[in-house]
Amino acid sequence: AQSVTQLDSQVPVFEEAPVELRCNYSSSVSVYLFWYVQYPNQGLQLLLKYLSGSTLVKGINGFEAEFNKSQTSFHLRKPSVHISDTAEYFCAVSRGSQGNLIFGKGTKLSVKP
Amino acid sequence: DTEVTQTPKHLVMGMTNKKSLKCEQHMGHRAMYWYKQKAKKPPELMFVYSYEKLSINESVPSRFSPECPNSPLLNLHLHALQPEDSALYLCASSQEFWGQGNEKLFFGSGTQLSVL
Repeated sequence: AQSVTQLDSQVPVFEEAPVELRCNYSSSVSVYLFWYVQYPNQGLQLLLKYLSGSTLVKGINGFEAEFNKSQTSFHLRKPSVHISDTAEYFCAVSRGSQGNLIFGKGTKLSVKP
Repeated sequence: DTEVTQTPKHLVMGMTNKKSLKCEQHMGHRAMYWYKQKAKKPPELMFVYSYEKLSINESVPSRFSPECPNSPLLNLHLHALQPEDSALYLCASSQEFWGQGNEKLFFGSGTQLSVL
């Protein structure tokens, strides 16, 4: 079975500061890894995904993530955050053979002026 | 058109009511999903349809009844719900469920359901 652990439930940060949201996964099979963002009262939007190939993945809104197989991690980073990045961020995993996602518990990013 | 449209956006119902949630996509996707999201929790998978056939039922109580009359449409019929069923219900779709094409899910904005 696959599982996802997001180590931080809340991350407060000042505007223009860098941020890292941590995600670790466990799986006995190859998986795909994802980061989704959810703004208040909205659905989920895909930020980026890792399927295979280069371990550094660039996504929308200036976010990037690095897949580290030895540490089973897929941490999300942004060098300079904006107020508009305030949202809930979910790390997710899926088996390559099936499309359903298993989500971590989420990290609430709060960007303060 | 890369949208998944859910209606209604908000729904309040009593425990004896029957209501339906609707979801629609026009991307030609053959896999459709229902997720349930309680406040401050991650989404949890309820059902998956692939080519209009139910592929996954995550042991959901029978008071939730999904229906996929054709691939662009997905319904969730609700009957005799409990207050603890109050949540955001999210619909999603992907090109395929099995194999290539399943790696990107498109989510709707959800239906916020309150059961009184």
